[in-house]
Amino acid sequence: KNEVEQSPQNLTAQEGEFITINCSYSVGISALHWLQQHPGGGIVSLFMLSSGKKKHGRLIATINIQEKHSSLHITASHPRDSAVYICAGSGGNQFYFGTGTSLTVIP
Amino acid sequence: DVKVTQSSRYLVKRTGEKVFLECVQDMDHENMFWYRQDPGLGLRLIYFSYDVKMKEKGDIPEGYSVSREKKERFSLILESASTNQTSMYLCASSLLTGNHYGYTFGSGTRLTVV
Repeated sequence: KNEVEQSPQNLTAQEGEFITINCSYSVGISALHWLQQHPGGGIVSLFMLSSGKKKHGRLIATINIQEKHSSLHITASHPRDSAVYICAGSGGNQFYFGTGTSLTVIP
Repeated sequence: DVKVTQSSRYLVKRTGEKVFLECVQDMDHENMFWYRQDPGLGLRLIYFSYDVKMKEKGDIPEGYSVSREKKERFSLILESASTNQTSMYLCASSLLTGNHYGYTFGSGTRLTVV
């Protein structure tokens, strides 16, 4: 069993839809990261959070420490949001990665 | 902005060759990491380094070695490349910030071993 589980694995949405990607973790972590990887590209860090909620443009990340759960929301999705989104937990010098959610937004 | 630069985006090597993947960061980060990324397996840690000349094995170190002679540079070495090492390789660096780590990835090197 992975320490970090993401759902769904694959997601297709119409442009403009509200999107949610979920992440659950089973290990103690000090921070939860959301990463974005465009096809063929490197990885960009979107959020690092340890409590509550963070917002950047159309992206919102939340974390519930008690439930060991985080969500990434994309409002008014756009085809350029098509990418793999990776959830990762960090604690000490350990990083635990989910296997990613592949998002395709259709015009 | 912190920059982590990987020397090659695409590499094709032959089985048995010795392969060097280079990673350079420009923000004086202590920690550097090498991952490989494969479909369905996500990111797996190969090696990491806390400081110059220090290295620690990650989850899948077999068939790899690393070198960190200078703080800004962390090299991944495939001693004798094999086809099962065909993968995307990602370098990252981080700085301890309070209890959390600012973490930056490079653009990746897609290695094909034929």
